Amino acid sequence: DIVMTQSPDSLAVSLGERATVNCKSSQSLLYSSNNKNYLAWYQQKPGQPPKLLIYWASTRESGVPDRFSGGGSGTDFTLTISSLQAEDVAVYYCQQYYGAPPYTFGQGTKLEIK
Amino acid sequence: EVHLLESGGTLVQPGGSLRLSCAASGFTFSSYALAWVRQAPGKGLEWVSGIRNSGGNSGGNTYYADSVKGRFTISRDNSENTLYLQMNSLRAEDTAIYYCARLLGGSAASRPLDCWGQGTLVTVSS
Repeated sequence: DIVMTQSPDSLAVSLGERATVNCKSSQSLLYSSNNKNYLAWYQQKPGQPPKLLIYWASTRESGVPDRFSGGGSGTDFTLTISSLQAEDVAVYYCQQYYGAPPYTFGQGTKLEIK
Repeated sequence: EVHLLESGGTLVQPGGSLRLSCAASGFTFSSYALAWVRQAPGKGLEWVSGIRNSGGNSGGNTYYADSVKGRFTISRDNSENTLYLQMNSLRAEDTAIYYCARLLGGSAASRPLDCWGQGTLVTVSS
């Protein structure tokens, strides 16, 4: 199975500042035939199910604010929040969906306000 | 509006069985692959099982995490717009909130999860 490792485990950022979460996969998630990275990002707030933010590593889901952006390719990916808002406090997960299941998640990164 | 509603979670003894259901509405159920994802208390997300769509009422290819393979069975009834997870030989480590989720874009397996239910809690304890 592909192992997904996020860093850091927790992060405290001031309101209005940039927050960056990293995700590393144990094998490349780039499918050469379509040049797509099979990597998604989710946001989970307390007591709620996860919400899809980003897929194909950099495509924002409909309705997601443009302060959220995804980058990276191959085995190294980032989720960036350009200007942290209070409502962005949550746990963020990356997930690979490359090839056959299981489609593993990272361990999560808890984002708080400094 | 897309809606997924899980049910069936409860307290069950180790070694017992349980069937979870997920009732779907607001989209063409038969056209989408679906999945179960679980979250142990205070822990992260674990992809458990997935099922593709197919012609007919009962769905296509199925997939399982190694941790549940041989004990859990995913199925679907396209005539009832319902996804199921039959859980046998339950263990304490199966204790979790179980979410059903829809795969983005339709029938393909290699897709992220774009819609999630609120989850149902399964507790395995004596």
